[in-house]
Amino acid sequence: DGGITQSPKYLFRKEGQNVTLSCEQNLNHDAMYWYRQDPGQGLRLIYYSQIVNDFQKGDIAEGYSVSREKKESFPLTVTSAQKNPTAFYLCATARTGDNYGYTFGSGTRLTVV
Amino acid sequence: GNSVTQMEGPVTLSEEAFLTINCTYTATGYPSLFWYVQYPGEGLQLLLKATKADDKGSNKGFEATYRKETTSFHLEKGSVQVSDSAVYFCALSASSASKIIFGSGTRLSIRP
Repeated sequence: DGGITQSPKYLFRKEGQNVTLSCEQNLNHDAMYWYRQDPGQGLRLIYYSQIVNDFQKGDIAEGYSVSREKKESFPLTVTSAQKNPTAFYLCATARTGDNYGYTFGSGTRLTVV
Repeated sequence: GNSVTQMEGPVTLSEEAFLTINCTYTATGYPSLFWYVQYPGEGLQLLLKATKADDKGSNKGFEATYRKETTSFHLEKGSVQVSDSAVYFCALSASSASKIIFGSGTRLSIRP
């Protein structure tokens, strides 16, 4: 089955540590996105990539980093510079050249302990 | 710039009630419009979409009509069920090369 795999589903991080969230897709979609969702809130765009080896900052990129070395993978690193990282993180993909919307992964819940 | 405004929640209804969640948008040209649903602890799922004026998107008993004259895309369902309890997001995409812009979400709770 084609889809998006986000792992792990739950992640705990100590203050001052970097942590990397995985997003893998086998949909052959060109574009990939990372969103942050806080409790009871909407989605905020962190980073996105429309092609391998290229990515752009979204609205809240500070304290985060990404890479796009291959089409299937778009990992997100939450660095120690992110002051309030506890949130639900969602990865999404989309085909370019049409307007069918995004496909979302099931999310990773990150908690700082 | 482009934007989406949807009614604030939470919305609480009894089972079998009629549902409307309002959504209006601001965009140049002819955007595509979407409704996504998010169940607790999960990612978003595409519920329905419409790509041109007067199109009606429908899925699982939900409907929404793309109204260019009122710049609206209201979500409706004739008889809600407890299993419809979720957060609903209205969204638009100005073009195939554009990022999707999401509304703030509306939490829906259905009482048995």
